[in-house]
Amino acid sequence: DAGVIQSPRHEVTEMGQEVTLRCKPISGHDYLFWYRQTMMRGLELLIYFNNNVPIDDSGMPEDRFSAKMPNASFSTLKIQPSEPRDSAVYFCASSLMPSTDTQYFGPGTRLTVL
Amino acid sequence: KQEVTQIPAALSVPEGENLVLNCSFTDSAIYNLQWFRQDPGKGLTSLLLIQSSQREQTSGRLNASLDKSSGRSTLYIAASQPGDSATYLCAVISSGSARQLTFGSGTQLTVLP
Repeated sequence: DAGVIQSPRHEVTEMGQEVTLRCKPISGHDYLFWYRQTMMRGLELLIYFNNNVPIDDSGMPEDRFSAKMPNASFSTLKIQPSEPRDSAVYFCASSLMPSTDTQYFGPGTRLTVL
Repeated sequence: KQEVTQIPAALSVPEGENLVLNCSFTDSAIYNLQWFRQDPGKGLTSLLLIQSSQREQTSGRLNASLDKSSGRSTLYIAASQPGDSATYLCAVISSGSARQLTFGSGTQLTVLP
């Protein structure tokens, strides 16, 4: 398996624009996680899905953030409108059963909002 | 709310030295504890996962221990190499948090040749 795939790897946009980040989890993994990493706050869970259903979105910072998982092999994280404080590295991870198995992380998307 | 702390924040050692990284967590009700490695500009790579019922796990030159009652874990790296230079992150899944990983802020390790 190619591992967790994220695109784009880098995104530079202007404030107010819509940003869509994409993730393809490892085949067969039932759990998908979106994290954000910043220098100030470290790694934070934004939302996670189980069998394509959002389970916990309490980490989503504002209504400007939304996430979907239309099928088992694809998820998106959308920010609309984007703000400079959204600049961070966004990671997607997937897992079989998090209570017993590790989470496999993608390479991340580095987002810069000017 | 679970909190994970890692000490020290940064560590620099000469090549060949054995070293210990520390991790502490406030709520001992956990499913497991994991150690990850992060290289600059890269994602996280899982190193070791210790289930709550286990005391330690080993992989090559790495050994991780878990003392759940005291809320502590250590990552021991034997015979360090320059290629070990990276940020090491500790994370736990708490029993009450479903499947959420709570991360420490990491220890940035530099192994000098």
